[in-house]
Amino acid sequence: GAGVSQSPRYKVAKRGQDVALRCDPISGHVSLFWYQQALGQGPEFLTYFQNEAQLDKSGLPSDRFFAERPEGSVSTLKIQRTQQEDSAVYLCASSSQALSGNTIYFGEGSWLTVV
Amino acid sequence: AQTVTQSQPEMSVQEAETVTLSCTYDTSESDYYLFWYKQPPSRQMILVIRQEAYKQQNATENRFSVNFQKAAKSFSLKISDSQLGDAAMYFCAYMGWGGANSKLTFGKGITLSVRP
Repeated sequence: GAGVSQSPRYKVAKRGQDVALRCDPISGHVSLFWYQQALGQGPEFLTYFQNEAQLDKSGLPSDRFFAERPEGSVSTLKIQRTQQEDSAVYLCASSSQALSGNTIYFGEGSWLTVV
Repeated sequence: AQTVTQSQPEMSVQEAETVTLSCTYDTSESDYYLFWYKQPPSRQMILVIRQEAYKQQNATENRFSVNFQKAAKSFSLKISDSQLGDAAMYFCAYMGWGGANSKLTFGKGITLSVRP
């Protein structure tokens, strides 16, 4: 595709509900990242994929957060039993190579509000 | 762990004037990358400029330039001839060297407003 696409753009979830956020990276991009951005803060790293392999999940805040990229393209971030503190924008990003310094392209994010 | 600090939460500039946004970082690595990203209200992060730490020459992209001081671990962004479309949040970001270090570490950001 022309850019990184994320869906849904907006999601309101009741506390305790499970949510799934989808990311479609730029076609052919090897690297995929998920970030969480709380209101008024900078994005915080959650997890990193190189193709289908999840190489770094050190930023996932709890075991309620789970990410996958089974075929090395589309990725899903799942949040189980959502809590109010999970309210944030979830940004997906991709890069064409698994090399440092490569330009990372971001999607417009999925805005999650937990009520 | 690497950290990025943006100590100014807000800045304002008159249209057509020049503004400088500050950023400092902390790292024990000698090779790395630094970036400035722009984030408009749509929330999409847009790359403004990047700097490789091994290059002494400061990066420039049209009206945007950086002042990279490696010893001081400082990386400021200068916007010349400010335009109304420059109003946004700006984030300074660090990336380490090597495939496993290719994630970005962001500062808290600065909100730039442009006065007509």
